[in-house]
Parts: sequence; structure tokens; C-alpha cells
Amino acid sequence: GAVVSQHPSWVICKSGTSVKIECRSLDFQATTMFWYRQFPKQSLMLMATSNEGSKATYEQGVEKDKFLINHASLTLSTLTVTSAHPEDSSFYICSALRVNQPQHFGDGTRLSIL
Amino acid sequence: AQSVTQLDSHVSVSEGTPVLLRCNYSSSYSPSLFWYVQHPNKGLQLLLKYTSAATLVKGINGFEAEFKKSETSFHLTKPSAHMSDAAEYFCVVTKLQTDKLIFGTGTRLQVFP
Repeated sequence: GAVVSQHPSWVICKSGTSVKIECRSLDFQATTMFWYRQFPKQSLMLMATSNEGSKATYEQGVEKDKFLINHASLTLSTLTVTSAHPEDSSFYICSALRVNQPQHFGDGTRLSIL
Repeated sequence: AQSVTQLDSHVSVSEGTPVLLRCNYSSSYSPSLFWYVQHPNKGLQLLLKYTSAATLVKGINGFEAEFKKSETSFHLTKPSAHMSDAAEYFCVVTKLQTDKLIFGTGTRLQVFP
């Protein structure tokens, strides 16, 4: 069964609002989680690395004030898209790093900004 | 810098025929390589991984891949395609001295009855 749960799976909201996406590791503790963005028919692009108890590390070109990441516990990381605009519409996927295992991915969140 | 190149953006096969999805890598060290599959509007599922043990790696659902250093390739194969194999496949390499993943551009596999 799924070891990483991502919620919500789909969200539609108005331009200017903020949206929070949750990523949970279900049966293990994850000190490190990753957030990816995927445009239609394209590959995954790493946005940031989420570290429990410390600030996230953002990839070049990703606005940290736009995409707020919080990793307050060993099983939960959240991504908040602040003041969302239509160009932020995308498929967002998280993954969690389990000791001595490859990354486990969530099922993704389809975000549509009207 | 590490990178992977998936040579085909689209592959179409008939059900029951072999599948070959091609991937070449570039790395200055012995890399960790993966194949992931993504079904529509879903996350990624690990098919198999290579971590410098056996060069022929067997994965789930009948898939396997062979690491060929001389050709810098890590092609994914399956002897007989099933309709449920239709999906997007990503060849992935780890970034040096990190846990970060670098994704190829993906290959969409279509399986016809």
C-alpha cells in the first residue's frame, strides 16, 4: 500500500488565494522530503528539499516566498502556494526519503488557479 | 554533471510484444540509476534500481534493465507488453553526493490490443 500520502489530490481556487498541500509519510519517519512540480507532458522538476526542523533548501529559480515549505514533524511536510496565480497551475508531487531506500512518492496534487 | 537522456519520447507496441525503452546516462562516477513509472494523474512508482551490484536488474511487473558502462546505457525491457503497462516511464539518476534525483524527459508507452 501507499507509504506516502498527499492531500488534497485536486484543488481549484481563485487567483490571489493561498493553497496548502500536505505530504505525509505513513509508516516511517522522514527527515527529508522533496517537492516537485510537473507541467503537462513534461518531466518532474525539483522545487525544494524539505528538512525536518530546519529551513527548506530551494532550487535555483524557485521563489521561496511564493512556495512556503514547512516540515514541522518527522511525518509531515506542507507546501503552501501563496497568492496563487494561473501560472502556478500545475501538478505538484512530494516524495519522502526512507533510510536506505529510494524516494517514495505521493500521488500528486493537481492545482488549478482560476 | 549527471544527466539522463531518454531517447524516445513515445513508444508504441502491440500487446504481447517486447518493450524497449532507451536511456543513456552521463556521470563522472558510478551512478545510482532508477526507472520509475507514472500512470495518469498519479505519483511515481519505482520499477527497479541499479546501485553497482549486478548489472542486470530485475524489477516489478516483469521489467528489467541492464547497466552497460561501456555504452553508458540503462535500457528498460519487458518480454511481453500488457495493456496495463501503458504509462509514462522515467529514467532517473541521483545527483552526486546528494539524495536528489535528476529525471529524464520521460517516454510515453502505448500498448495496442
